[in-house]
Amino acid sequence: DAGVIQSPRHEVTEMGQEVTLRCKPISGHNSLFWYRQTMMRGLELLIYFNNNVPIDDSGMPEDRFSAKMPNASFSTLKIQPSEPRDSAVYFCASQPGQSNTGELFFGEGSRLTVL
Amino acid sequence: AQSVTQPDIHITVSEGASLELRCNYSYGATPYLFWYVQSPGQGLQLLLKYFSGDTLVQGIKGFEAEFKRSQSSFNLRKPSVHWSDAAEYFCAVYPGGGADGLTFGKGTHLIIQP
Repeated sequence: DAGVIQSPRHEVTEMGQEVTLRCKPISGHNSLFWYRQTMMRGLELLIYFNNNVPIDDSGMPEDRFSAKMPNASFSTLKIQPSEPRDSAVYFCASQPGQSNTGELFFGEGSRLTVL
Repeated sequence: AQSVTQPDIHITVSEGASLELRCNYSYGATPYLFWYVQSPGQGLQLLLKYFSGDTLVQGIKGFEAEFKRSQSSFNLRKPSVHWSDAAEYFCAVYPGGGADGLTFGKGTHLIIQP
């Protein structure tokens, strides 16, 4: 079975540009999570969706960040405008709908560098 | 709110030696507990998990972890490490009840000396 698929794997952009990160969860999984990983702050939960509905976006750092899940097989995380401090690895993870144990299945991440 | 502490930022172990990575959590009840491993440039892979029952759990790649309720700990162990075990290791907790995802520790970076 295919795992969680993220694209792009690497993105280098200039400050002020729009960045869109994409995620395809595992088929049949009902919950999707976006995490950000930095050296200073470790893994931070940004937002998560259940059945395509955003449940908690309190981790989204600023209004420059937005996330959508238009259907069960696709989600985007957008940063507009991007800033150098947004440089990080962004992970998408999905969770089976029947899970009540919290186990997450991670993609390989999107490494973002904002110059 | 629950928290996870991994007190060792870096650990260096000789190849073939035993390994123990520490993890302590703060939570009123017993949460669900996980260890994930992240190799360079890769995502997080589940090593093992504890939900209930036997407090010693076996995982992939020869790893095991022991849940100790009295110490609020869930330490990861391996009797003999291999160079390929060099990676970042994350402990995580989930309190259940529909909480918002996993809470991760800051990670422990494992270096293997030849």
